[in-house]
Amino acid sequence: GDSVTQTEGPVTVSESESLIINCTYSATSIAYPNLFWYVRYPGEGLQLLLKVITAGQKGSSRGFEATYNKETTSFHLQKASVQESDSAVYYCALGSGGSNAKLTFGKGTKLSVKS
Amino acid sequence: GPKVLQIPSHQIIDMGQMVTLNCDPVSNHLYFYWYKQILGQQMEFLVNFYNGKVMEKSKLFKDQFSVERPDGSYFTLKIQPTALEDSAVYFCASSLANNQDTQYFGPGTRLLVL
Repeated sequence: GDSVTQTEGPVTVSESESLIINCTYSATSIAYPNLFWYVRYPGEGLQLLLKVITAGQKGSSRGFEATYNKETTSFHLQKASVQESDSAVYYCALGSGGSNAKLTFGKGTKLSVKS
Repeated sequence: GPKVLQIPSHQIIDMGQMVTLNCDPVSNHLYFYWYKQILGQQMEFLVNFYNGKVMEKSKLFKDQFSVERPDGSYFTLKIQPTALEDSAVYFCASSLANNQDTQYFGPGTRLLVL
């Protein structure tokens, strides 16, 4: 089946430092899955951070970026300068797309940003 | 952004009893989903639902599970009877019909089966 592996947390970074959370995927049910980063801020529900559906393309949101790399089956999340408000749990996911879509999630990476 | 609500936020129940988890999806969404997350593990797909029917379910969606959305009200997940291994956080999600894997999630219901 499909699977997603991401950096094991917790990850602690100081404010204004750079961040990378690694994500690799294995898609057996679909050749070109859609790739996602979701985020859960403390006390809130899971929300979509960014989505990329085409290999080679980059998605960005709130200063975060991720590039869909089909060759390395990766979708790493990066930010040049984190803020304390970025403290959250980040989930990489792949989508089967089309009808009857379902998401396959990684375990999540808890990020703490120190001021 | 669009909000999905889940009721209750927490539920404690004795093994063997029935439980119903309620989800209020985004108003114009037509696809609905349940996911299950056991503590320390990843969120896993249980089922998706469209037009009054289960479209796909995973092996985690046991015979004791059922879903429905009567008359456009709450989308519900019923477990009858519950088992100890059903203890988890259950997340509801919804999406548009033409953008199904962009799903909007609720905050989850934490279910503890004793």
